[in-house]
Amino acid sequence: GNSVTQMEGPVTLSEEAFLTINCTYTATGYPSLFWYVQYPGEGLQLLLKATKADDKGSNKGFEATYRKETTSFHLEKGSVQVSDSAVYFCALTSNTGNQFYFGTGTSLTVIP
Amino acid sequence: DAGVTQSPTHLIKTRGQQVTLRCSPKSGHDTVSWYQQALGQGPQFIFQYYEEEERQRGNFPDRFSGHQFPNYSSELNVNALLLGDSALYLCASTQVGWYGYTFGSGTRLTVV
Repeated sequence: GNSVTQMEGPVTLSEEAFLTINCTYTATGYPSLFWYVQYPGEGLQLLLKATKADDKGSNKGFEATYRKETTSFHLEKGSVQVSDSAVYFCALTSNTGNQFYFGTGTSLTVIP
Repeated sequence: DAGVTQSPTHLIKTRGQQVTLRCSPKSGHDTVSWYQQALGQGPQFIFQYYEEEERQRGNFPDRFSGHQFPNYSSELNVNALLLGDSALYLCASTQVGWYGYTFGSGTRLTVV
């Protein structure tokens, strides 16, 4: 079946620190992979995506590479800001794209 | 251009009652999905509607039902509410054939 496992939180970093949030997946077929961000009291916003192996998704300084050999899609950012404080969800879609499978989320707090 | 609109924002219901949540998809989108996000968890897929039919369903009991109207808006109905149904309910819309989903801010349901 399909599932996503992501790094347990919460994560607390100082401003300008390097961020890594680990995500691994199990999937049948050829899934697409996503990172979504959720700010307090809001819905989910797409951060980045990758649709095939070795693709790199990037947005707002965040990056993640689709690694089929390690079934991973780790999120990285070189220098975090206070405004990056949020909950981050790793997700995949099935071949049909009709359903997302989300990880449990990783809460990030960035302190000045 | 309005995104996905959900109503109400919050509501409180008593165990055993029934509830209806509403979603208006983003302009141009014809497919609506519903997700349940329990506190501290990732969203779980409930079902998806397209052309007024339930196209795919997740692992939720029959107490959860839905409807899609000709204008593509959708309702989620939950009967015989349980305490465990307390969650944030998210609606997501897309246009059939591509993977760009837009999520609403959700309805926070509390069952007491």
